[in-house]
Amino acid sequence: GAVVSQHPSWVICKSGTSVKIECRSLDFQATTMFWYRQFPKQSLMLMATSNEGSKATYEQGVEKDKFLINHASLTLSTLTVTSAHPEDSSFYICSASQRAFSYNEQFFGPGTRLTVL
Amino acid sequence: KQEVTQIPAALSVPEGENLVLNCSFTDSAIYNLQWFRQDPGKGLTSLLLIQSSQREQTSGRLNASLDKSSGRSTLYIAASQPGDSATYLCAAPWAGNMLTFGGGTRLMVKP
Repeated sequence: GAVVSQHPSWVICKSGTSVKIECRSLDFQATTMFWYRQFPKQSLMLMATSNEGSKATYEQGVEKDKFLINHASLTLSTLTVTSAHPEDSSFYICSASQRAFSYNEQFFGPGTRLTVL
Repeated sequence: KQEVTQIPAALSVPEGENLVLNCSFTDSAIYNLQWFRQDPGKGLTSLLLIQSSQREQTSGRLNASLDKSSGRSTLYIAASQPGDSATYLCAAPWAGNMLTFGGGTRLMVKP
């Protein structure tokens, strides 16, 4: 149980286009979802936290107008990278948690590799 | 805000060695600590989660310990194998359920 999926697993796009990444909890209802970014050979950095039905909370330094997060249902959150540029190329990973889980344990998706040309 | 540090950043050992990966955190008021494995280009695989009430947790050849008072956790890997080669990340929670990750230890186990 507690499986999280991401789609797509990888995407290549041209500079200036927008890209949407989906994060789904497959067998549980996620009250909270998290989005992380990971640059090559670096650790995960939290970008934002989203609770179902409310606006996402962004970490300092993360542009909310560039990284649009929608958590419209208890099983789906989306991250849209608007007007993507090469510096946005990264590995994006989502995680999901549920209050009913012991100590709000997070379960991670397999990640999405974004390459902006 | 929680800060997490992992030492060493990289480790190369011959197959069969027992090894210890270290993780330290600044805010000891945590309710759990988690160890993950990440293979190149892949997502995270959860290895062990230690609750604050526990001192250690074991899974197969892996053993993780937690010492809240000193702000430290260790991941012990027994009889290492080439298949253990990966990056190992520890993560500590703060402000409820947000996680801060350490920089990771890149492990290479040579046949």
